[in-house]
This record gives sequence, C-alpha cells and structure tokens, in this order.
Amino acid sequence: GAVVSQHPSRVICKSGTSVKIECRSLDFQATTMFWYRQFPKKSLMLMATSNEGSKATYEQGVEKDKFLINHASLTLSTLTVTSAHPEDSSFYICSAIAENQPQHFGDGTRLSIL
Amino acid sequence: AQSVTQPDIHITVSEGASLELRCNYSYGATPYLFWYVQSPGQGLQLLLKYFSGDTLVQGIKGFEAEFKRSQSSFNLRKPSVHWSDAAEYFCAVGEARGGFKTIFGAGTRLFVKA
Repeated sequence: GAVVSQHPSRVICKSGTSVKIECRSLDFQATTMFWYRQFPKKSLMLMATSNEGSKATYEQGVEKDKFLINHASLTLSTLTVTSAHPEDSSFYICSAIAENQPQHFGDGTRLSIL
Repeated sequence: AQSVTQPDIHITVSEGASLELRCNYSYGATPYLFWYVQSPGQGLQLLLKYFSGDTLVQGIKGFEAEFKRSQSSFNLRKPSVHWSDAAEYFCAVGEARGGFKTIFGAGTRLFVKA
C-alpha cells in the first residue's frame, strides 16, 4: 500500500538550531501534504496544509516564520523549525493524500531541543 | 467548524472482553470519518474509514465502527480485545471543501488487563 516516509525519526539539538524534517510519499504523488504537531499524551494538532508549488496554509496560532514549509514536488514536503527552542520540542507527524485516497501518515519525528 | 469529541480519556478492559470507544462529531454535511490507532512513539495507522454507503464499517485487526447520523456518532467496537490492542485511539473527521483537512479527537488510551 501507499507509504509515507518521514525523516529523521528522532533529532536532538541545541537551542537556536534550525531543524529540517522531510516527508516523502514513496509510491504515490501526493496532491496535499499536512503537518501535525502532537504534545505528550495529546491529540494531533494540524499546523499547516501544503500543496505542491504553492504556499502552505497555516492554522491559526501557528507561526509561519517559525515553521517553514516547502512543498517542492508531489512527493516531498519539508518542515523547518527555525531557531528552535525547548518549547518547540514535540512529536511532529506528516501525512499525505492523493486524489480519492485517505491520509497516509508518516511515523513521526521526535524533536528534542536542549 | 467541525469538531470531534472522544468522551473517554482512557478505558481499561480485560483481555477477551468486548470494547466500545465513543466518538461524536459536529459537522454540517455528511462527514468523512476515520479511526486511527497510535502505539507509543509511533505514527498513526488507519483502522477504518467511512465515506458513504453501509453505515457499519469493517476495519483491520477485527475492528468495526458504526456511523449513526441521528446521534452524530461513530463508535469503534471490537468483540474480543487482545493485549496487543493497548494503544491510543483517535477518531477523526475529514472535510473535503477547498482541499482536504482532517480534525482529530483528543484520543482515548486503551489499557488491556490480563
């Protein structure tokens, strides 16, 4: 079946570092990709929706300049957490959909900022 | 705006017992409804989905869910729980207006006791 690959699965870095997370649809072309953030023992919060070749649509309260999303192709979207701080530590999950398909989720990225 | 409510934060059942996880949604039109399961530190796995048609939906791992429009519910059931079913379960509603967006409930943590 369709697979979404997310990389890296875990990253630990110093405060002030920028971190890039990749999300790839491996065997289908994703018309739309989504980025979610999940706090410990909480549900998934939609951060933004991105379509290939266009600017991402951010949910209310999500800082565009903090969380940069690039959707360069139909199989790749990246989330860059700029100048990360400890409060940005979280579990980030991407998902992708193709036409007439439900969302397929990546396995998530555990981001820890020291 | 659409919303999803999972009234039970956590549920404990005995192995072999039946299970029902509750989900209520708020949505103006016929929703797309989903149940996902998440093991600790992992991504989400789709258990089943309802788009239209038969209101009783069969999913993977022996799960089923029933869409009841009159009650705005989409409860997840399993006749006999296995210890490996212990995980976090998320109900979600999808909207396909102007793109596709999925909103998640807060989740229900399932504990299985021997």
